[in-house]
Order: sequence, then structure tokens, then C-alpha cells
Amino acid sequence: DADVTQTPRNRITKTGKRIMLECSQTKGHDRMYWYRQDPGLGLRLIYYSFDVKDINKGEISDGYSVSRQAQAKFSLSLESAIPNQTALYFCATSAGGSYGYTFGSGTRLTVV
Amino acid sequence: GIQVEQSPPDLILQEGANSTLRCNFSDSVNNLQWFHQNPWGQLINLFYIPSGTKQNGRLSATTVATERYSLLYISSSQTTDSGVYFCAVVSGGNKLVFGAGTILRVKS
Repeated sequence: DADVTQTPRNRITKTGKRIMLECSQTKGHDRMYWYRQDPGLGLRLIYYSFDVKDINKGEISDGYSVSRQAQAKFSLSLESAIPNQTALYFCATSAGGSYGYTFGSGTRLTVV
Repeated sequence: GIQVEQSPPDLILQEGANSTLRCNFSDSVNNLQWFHQNPWGQLINLFYIPSGTKQNGRLSATTVATERYSLLYISSSQTTDSGVYFCAVVSGGNKLVFGAGTILRVKS
């Protein structure tokens, strides 16, 4: 099994719908992140969490919310999806400090 | 915040050729990683290299932290090396910041 699992892998949804992207990890890391990638661009940080009770906004948090249900689970929600939220979404974990990050396989979301 | 610049933005190689990708960053870092994004969108961690030199097969990387740059070397390129190469750094705040990437196309 993958260290960081994202579900679903692909999703098409309609404008105005609520959608949740889920992420679970078996790394035992406290820190989890959600990133967004638009075509031709690098990844940008949406939200991050350093433990279950610590959630922080990243550089592009508008239109998104998150929930850290447990150390191993971190969900991203789009309350009312809009077409410019069409992107590839990645979840990542890290042990913090000078340790590397581990990324999931991504969720390709299309809002029509 | 920290700025990460990658060059070149695009690169086309003939199979078997060598290449060097560069990553410049604007502040001191305590974490630097190189990733390869394959044509299916998956991010593959190539190196965790905040300083020094590492090698893995045909790939190697060097980070000169004092001069704020890192280099990724690809030797004897193969078509499977095609994709986007990202440099990402952490400076102070434990948030990984990505460069815009280098798109590599290897032709057979």
C-alpha cells in the first residue's frame, strides 16, 4: 500500500456542488499538507496542519476548507465548486524539521 | 517569502544526451528536494539534498547552500526521463515552496 493515499483519483463535478478530497497516510507523520497544481505551473499550498489541533491557511486557501480527523487523515473540501478550481490536487506529509516530504498520487478534479 | 527559480523552463534532448537543470533560491534553506512529475501526473521524489552531492543511477544532484543553488544532472537520458522536474525548498517555516519546473522532452 502507498504511504500517502488520496481518494478519489479522478473526479468530475458540477459548479456549485460540495466535494471532499480525502488523504490518509501510514508514515506516522504529524504534518500534512494540501497543494494545488494548475497546468504549466508549480504546486501552491492551500492548507497545512502540524497536528490534529493545528490547522493553518496556505497561500491560496479561499474557497477551500479542511478537516484533520486524526493524525493519519486530512480532508480538503470545496464548499461550492467553481470551474477555476479545476486542477490537480496533492496531499503530502512530513516529519518536520529537515526531513523530506512524501506526496500522494494526486486527485485530478474537473469542475464543469 | 522565499523565491525559487528553475532553469531552463523547457529542454528537448536526443536520447543518450546529458543535461543539467538548475534551481536558484533567494534565502537559506534547511530542506531541498528534487521531484520528477511523470506524464501521468505522479510526483516522484528524486533527491532530498539540502547540501552536498548525491547520486542515484544516471541521476545526481548537488546543492551549494552557501551560494543558494542546486543542480540536477541527468546522464545518458532516456525517453522515460521525460516529464517535469521540480525543485522545492523549505526556508524556516516548514512549508515546501516549489519552483515553476523544467519541462524535459527526450526524443528517441
